[in-house]
Amino acid sequence: DGGITQSPKYLFRKEGQNVTLSCEQNLNHDAMYWYRQDPGQGLRLIYYSQIVNDFQKGDIAEGYSVSREKKESFPLTVTSAQKNPTAFYLCATSTRLDEQFFGPGTRLTVL
Amino acid sequence: AQSVTQLDSQVPVFEEAPVELRCNYSSSVSVYLFWYVQYPNQGLQLLLKYLSGSTLVKGINGFEAEFNKSQTSFHLRKPSVHISDTAEYFCAVTKGLKTSYDKVIFGPGTSLSVIP
Repeated sequence: DGGITQSPKYLFRKEGQNVTLSCEQNLNHDAMYWYRQDPGQGLRLIYYSQIVNDFQKGDIAEGYSVSREKKESFPLTVTSAQKNPTAFYLCATSTRLDEQFFGPGTRLTVL
Repeated sequence: AQSVTQLDSQVPVFEEAPVELRCNYSSSVSVYLFWYVQYPNQGLQLLLKYLSGSTLVKGINGFEAEFNKSQTSFHLRKPSVHISDTAEYFCAVTKGLKTSYDKVIFGPGTSLSVIP
């Protein structure tokens, strides 16, 4: 069953802690993306990667870090430097025509 | 650089009535256009896309959209909505005629509420 999995679905973090959100895909897509979604707002691009071992900052990369060691995996770390991390995080992959395929999302809440 | 405007943040409509969700974009180059739907607490899924060819594009769940280059619009329509169409709808644009990946620009979204 092809698709994108994100885990966990809900994540709670204390202030000052780093947390890592998982994203795995078996669609064999080269490109992967991380978006942040806040209530009533559209999607904002955090990081994206077009190939293994390479990634680029998006529009709101500060306070986040990523790695792309395998084609199937693109984990996102939310660091303590991110001032307001409470949000819904979406991972996506894309074809070369930039049609995006989304995972189910992870809702991060900072306590 | 591309940008996307969705003029209506919320659209209430009665069940079985027609609906149009508006999307306008700005770009100095040719574009690919997409509409995505998001149900509560879920990821987005593709409704339809315009890459080239016919300007009238049909998608899933009875939705269609028309690409109008002169008006730089890509409005989404459905002739008769159902309760299950209640969701958030996002218009998106990216550069067309590409040979490599590019960023996709999403609009702010339109919340469609279908009233029984």
